[in-house]
Amino acid sequence: GIQVEQSPPDLILQEGANSTLRCNFSDSVNNLQWFHQNPWGQLINLFYIPSGTKQNGRLSATTVATERYSLLYISSSQTTDSGVYFCAAAPGGFKTIFGAGTRLFVKA
Amino acid sequence: GAGVSQSPSNKVTEKGKDVELRCDPISGHTALYWYRQSLGQGLEFLIYFQGNSAPDKSGLPSDRFSAERTGGSVSTLTIQRTQQEDSAVYLCASSDAGTVYEQYFGPGTRLTVT
Repeated sequence: GIQVEQSPPDLILQEGANSTLRCNFSDSVNNLQWFHQNPWGQLINLFYIPSGTKQNGRLSATTVATERYSLLYISSSQTTDSGVYFCAAAPGGFKTIFGAGTRLFVKA
Repeated sequence: GAGVSQSPSNKVTEKGKDVELRCDPISGHTALYWYRQSLGQGLEFLIYFQGNSAPDKSGLPSDRFSAERTGGSVSTLTIQRTQQEDSAVYLCASSDAGTVYEQYFGPGTRLTVT
């Protein structure tokens, strides 16, 4: 089955810094999503991005489907950005595999 | 509109007992998914339902786990003869089944087996 790998596993930033999170997947996909899991455990949708580039405020994402990776950019990080960021991919639309996540801590 | 809801939010049960976890998807979503998240870990796919198609049960860890979806809406995940290793947060998600498969998650049910 498809493998989804995220890097780095852990990241500590000073407030205001920028960062890039990476997701590699081993097969072509027709569904790729980025989520933020907040400290209360709720999964928040960030991007649905099987290909192309999207931006939402300080966050943006790019998926290069032909090279099987996706990047999540966080600019001007804030303490509220802390939590775990997950990438999830589905090669056939429904069965979805999550990466292990990137745990982000933003220091004030 | 209303999001995905799950009940109960917390469940403590004794080893060997059966438990039922409920998921109400977003109205109109035809696909429904169950995942499990153990403490500090990522999400593990369990099962999905899509319309009237046979569910994909390939992620269920043992035959003690089963799920059903009645009337194409509410779903129940049942764990029989619970074991301590079943302790985890069980998450439900739903999505439309057109050309966009964006999943939306409920708050989860935290299961503790003592």
